[in-house]
Amino acid sequence: AQKITQTQPGMFVQEKEAVTLDCTYDTSDPSYGLFWYKQPSSGEMIFLIYQGSYDQQNATEGRYSLNFQKARKSANLVISASQLGDSAMYFCAMREDPSGTYKYIFGTGTRLKVLA
Amino acid sequence: NAGVTQTPKFRILKIGQSMTLQCTQDMNHNYMYWYRQDPGMGLKLIYYSVGAGITDKGEVPNGYNVSRSTTEDFPLRLELAAPSQTSVYFCASIQQATHLNTGELFFGEGSRLTVL
Repeated sequence: AQKITQTQPGMFVQEKEAVTLDCTYDTSDPSYGLFWYKQPSSGEMIFLIYQGSYDQQNATEGRYSLNFQKARKSANLVISASQLGDSAMYFCAMREDPSGTYKYIFGTGTRLKVLA
Repeated sequence: NAGVTQTPKFRILKIGQSMTLQCTQDMNHNYMYWYRQDPGMGLKLIYYSVGAGITDKGEVPNGYNVSRSTTEDFPLRLELAAPSQTSVYFCASIQQATHLNTGELFFGEGSRLTVL
């Protein structure tokens, strides 16, 4: 069963507008972490934001925020005031901690294109 | 601070050849991972290690082997290369996740492997 689902293969957003990238997850572990990574065309993986399963508040990092809805098992990334440099692939990932092994599972990604 | 270093960055192999992708980290991280990323896809876990001398299979281990003789190094061995192993390979490591850190993956720059 797919543990991390990103249903949007591609998204367009106008520069300076906000965009939401969807991510749903599936786990029975009460302790888990959710991550978003950005992969520009140069190929490196850039960590953006983290949400722990016990965190009461949604995580924010500058223009990035994570809309965490635990009951719905969703962890959507919101990018505010999009910039041309935000054009990239975005991956949602989940860390499960079964017996301290820290396994990370990635979604298939969403390709975001910011339009001038 | 070098972080996670992978070599080589690019390699072309003929079918049936073998090679080792090197990965070393200087952050004293116990946990290390190998992922592969096929074109336009997410990352799939090949092998991981929770410490020196301990390795375990991920989602797609067939055709690969690993070893972890030191904390710093986690080489990935490809035996009898096949075209299906054409991919970008990422090595990553983490500090153990605690309430003081997010436990995000630190990635190397990737190794692009083509098997012809």
